[in-house]
Amino acid sequence: DAKTTQPTSMDCAEGRAANLPCNHSTISGNEYVYWYRQIHSQGPQYIIHGLKNNETNEMASLIITEDRKSSTLILPHATLRDTAVYYCIVRDTSGTYKYIFGTGTRLKVLA
Amino acid sequence: EPEVTQTPSHQVTQMGQEVILRCVPISNHLYFYWYRQILGQKVEFLVSFYNNEISEKSEIFDDQFSVERPDGSNFTLKIRSTKLEDSAMYFCASSRQPGQGPSSFFGPGTRLTVL
Repeated sequence: DAKTTQPTSMDCAEGRAANLPCNHSTISGNEYVYWYRQIHSQGPQYIIHGLKNNETNEMASLIITEDRKSSTLILPHATLRDTAVYYCIVRDTSGTYKYIFGTGTRLKVLA
Repeated sequence: EPEVTQTPSHQVTQMGQEVILRCVPISNHLYFYWYRQILGQKVEFLVSFYNNEISEKSEIFDDQFSVERPDGSNFTLKIRSTKLEDSAMYFCASSRQPGQGPSSFFGPGTRLTVL
């Protein structure tokens, strides 16, 4: 089973920041948090990952709480093309580091 | 930017036929994976492959499935005798050293339709 819980769906106005929350209360010390998104039935697209520090790249920012039990993905200026299912994944480090996907958050960016 | 490629993009087959799905992982990656996604459902892990052998497989990956890296660049998934329920998107992924934090990168997928 996935180690994360996310809201099923969210809406965001175009041009505004989209803040997508994720709970991962059972995360262990060496487990990273990864965010991917999937547009229609395309392959999951890597967005960002982090261990305990906040991270930023050209796509998004990742804010991880100090206790690491939750995180938030921020898309600073959402566009219509950001409409997708967003997955928060805590990677399995016990074996081959496979991903266990949950159902994700379906983000709809509204014009 | 390097990417994972998959062929074909869409495969239609008759029930009971064998299919081979092909993937070219990113060239300096060492870990290879197959996932599948039945329409409207979650992405599910099938198998991981490292150092020319299967390192982990899920319950879905039964005797009808096999994987191979025949020539050092391609990574294939074979389904020996397809069933209707094998209809799904199949995604290949690869990564360098996943334990150190780098990510897996996914291909665009192959849509398998079993009639």
